[in-house]
Amino acid sequence: QKEVEQNSGPLSVPEGAIASLNCTYSDRGSQSFFWYRQYSGKSPELIMFIYSNGDKEDGRFTAQLNKASQYVSLLIRDSQPSDSATYLCAVRTSGTYKYIFGTGTRLKVLA
Amino acid sequence: ETGVTQTPRHLVMGMTNKKSLKCEQHLGHNAMYWYKQSAKKPLELMFVYSLEERVENNSVPSRFSPECPNSSHLFLHLHTLQPEDSALYLCASSQERNEQFFGPGTRLTVL
Repeated sequence: QKEVEQNSGPLSVPEGAIASLNCTYSDRGSQSFFWYRQYSGKSPELIMFIYSNGDKEDGRFTAQLNKASQYVSLLIRDSQPSDSATYLCAVRTSGTYKYIFGTGTRLKVLA
Repeated sequence: ETGVTQTPRHLVMGMTNKKSLKCEQHLGHNAMYWYKQSAKKPLELMFVYSLEERVENNSVPSRFSPECPNSSHLFLHLHTLQPEDSALYLCASSQERNEQFFGPGTRLTVL
């Protein structure tokens, strides 16, 4: 079992719709959870982080964490073509500097 | 300069060459990281330095040698690399074990 799993996609959504990106992780000791956006040929850019169960909202983005189910998601409201990118989920194990990344989900927002 | 910078942005080297990658962070962070990103694979954590001490060292071949002279600078020394080492090498920094910020990366090609 992979430590951090994401559906590779592509996930295609129409412009203006809600895009839902999911991530599961295997280590119950994971403490911190991050979402990054990576455009083709560029480096990862931090979108959001979440440490506690529940929802965290920032503009059009909402991160959701459920530690019991070992599941973290990212919702993008009012999706725009400029949101088309690969979204990376990252998980940090408690007490370490070890950040584990998923392979990413490619999102395509259709105009 | 702002954020995390990396030089060079592109590097082509032969298998017998010795080269170094440089990373500098302007964020006042106290932890720095090297990652390798290959196609279709998740980001692989190579090395972590916290307060200039190496705190994580994954199973990385000895042909990769890190150096962290101070909390703002990180180097990755390369020697006798193999073609499979061709990848995007990313530097990141964080304050303690919080969210990471990435540099633009060095695209390395080993001939």
